[in-house]
Amino acid sequence: GQQVMQIPQYQHVQEGEDFTTYCNSSTTLSNIQWYKQRPGGHPVFLIQLVKSGEVKKQKRLTFQFGEAKKNSSLHITATQTTDVGTYFCAGPSFGGYQKVTFGIGTKLQVIP
Amino acid sequence: NAGVTQTPKFQVLKTGQSMTLQCAQDMNHNSMYWYRQDPGMGLRLIYYSASEGTTDKGEVPNGYNVSRLNKREFSLRLESAAPSQTSVYFCASSEGHRHGEQYFGPGTRLTVT
Repeated sequence: GQQVMQIPQYQHVQEGEDFTTYCNSSTTLSNIQWYKQRPGGHPVFLIQLVKSGEVKKQKRLTFQFGEAKKNSSLHITATQTTDVGTYFCAGPSFGGYQKVTFGIGTKLQVIP
Repeated sequence: NAGVTQTPKFQVLKTGQSMTLQCAQDMNHNSMYWYRQDPGMGLRLIYYSASEGTTDKGEVPNGYNVSRLNKREFSLRLESAAPSQTSVYFCASSEGHRHGEQYFGPGTRLTVT
C-alpha cells in the first residue's frame, strides 16, 4: 500500500519553543490529512490539504502541502502544554479512495 | 449525537478465547474502519467497509473477521485470540467520498494473556 514516512518519531520541546513534524511520500498524494491524538485518547481530525503548495493555519498551527504533493509539514508556534500528544499524517491508500494510510506519528512532549 | 461509539472499553482474554468488538456511528456515514494501534507502529488498518454490504481486507487482517451489520454498525471478531492481538482497537467512520476525514471512536484496550 501507500507509504507515508513521518519524522521525527519523538520530540521534546520547552514550552514556548516551536515544533515541526514532517510527512513524506515516494509518490504523489491527491491529498493529505493531519490528526492529533491526546494521551489516552483517540485520533481527531485536524485538517486536510488538497492543492499543491497549499498552506493553512489554525491559530498557532501551520500546515503545508509541498509543491510536488509528495510532502507535508505541521508547524506549531510557541508550543503550550495543551499541544502534547501524537500527530499523525495520513495519505490515500491504493485500492480504494475511502482508505488512508497513516504515518507512524510524531509524539510531542512539552516541558513546562 | 454520540458520533462513533465502541464497546467494550477494556477487555482481557485468555489465549484461544473469542470475542466481538462492537462499533456504531450515528452520522449516516457510508464507510467504516477497524484499526489497531501498537506502540511504534502507528495506526494499521485491519478491515474496512466502503459501504453497507461490502467489506475488504486492510493491511493486517489475519486473525480477524468483520461484519457490516447495517449502515450504522460494524463489528470486529477475534475467533481465537492470541497474545499478538494485544492492542488498542479503534473504529472509525467517514462519509466515504474522496477526501473524507475519518471520525474515531474512543477505542477498546484489549489484552490477551
